[in-house]
Amino acid sequence: KAGVTQTPRYLIKTRGQQVTLSCSPISGHRSVSWYQQTPGQGLQFLFEYFSETQRNKGNFPGRFSGRQFSNSRSEMNVSTLELGDSALYLCASSYFPGQGNNEQFFGPGTRLTVL
Amino acid sequence: GQQLNQSPQSMFIQEGEDVSMNCTSSSIFNTWLWYKQDPGEGPVLLIALYKAGELTSNGRLTAQFGITRKDSFLNISASIPSDVGIYFCAGQRDSNYQLIWGAGTKLIIKP
Repeated sequence: KAGVTQTPRYLIKTRGQQVTLSCSPISGHRSVSWYQQTPGQGLQFLFEYFSETQRNKGNFPGRFSGRQFSNSRSEMNVSTLELGDSALYLCASSYFPGQGNNEQFFGPGTRLTVL
Repeated sequence: GQQLNQSPQSMFIQEGEDVSMNCTSSSIFNTWLWYKQDPGEGPVLLIALYKAGELTSNGRLTAQFGITRKDSFLNISASIPSDVGIYFCAGQRDSNYQLIWGAGTKLIIKP
């Protein structure tokens, strides 16, 4: 069974640009969560989608948005990029929502660098 | 954002030594999870704890859910080179809330 895939793996953008990251969950998984990981900060929750609906949202500005398609694939978008948005963006999938009581499988992440 | 207090931040140990790390919170959690992240990969779940006082093992790894529900511990016995990586704790109050993550403990094994 293929794991969670994220594209692209690496991305370099400049301030003010916008970016779209993609996540394909494990086949059969309908829940997708997105996280931002910066050194020394652990993982910060962005949002969770289940059956094309945003189920939960973290404390990030409105520049961060996401969506989920009918095939459970998900995208996240960051508009008007800032230097502080440089981070590893991780996607995780599970069969059901509720990150604590359903094992999440993480993708390798997209490393975003904002110059 | 909210974080758990995870310590130590990093550990330099000799192969064969035992390792201990912990996470504490000012809030009560009903779920504690421990993950490991290798370079260039996403975190992988090691142990999940769902009950106060619970002690669970996964090979050489043992984790405990603190009685107060505000802390958790992870022990690794007889460390080996492949144990290097970053270990994260994560807690959840209940299924309606997202996981809260610790900042990670970086484990380095001295040659």
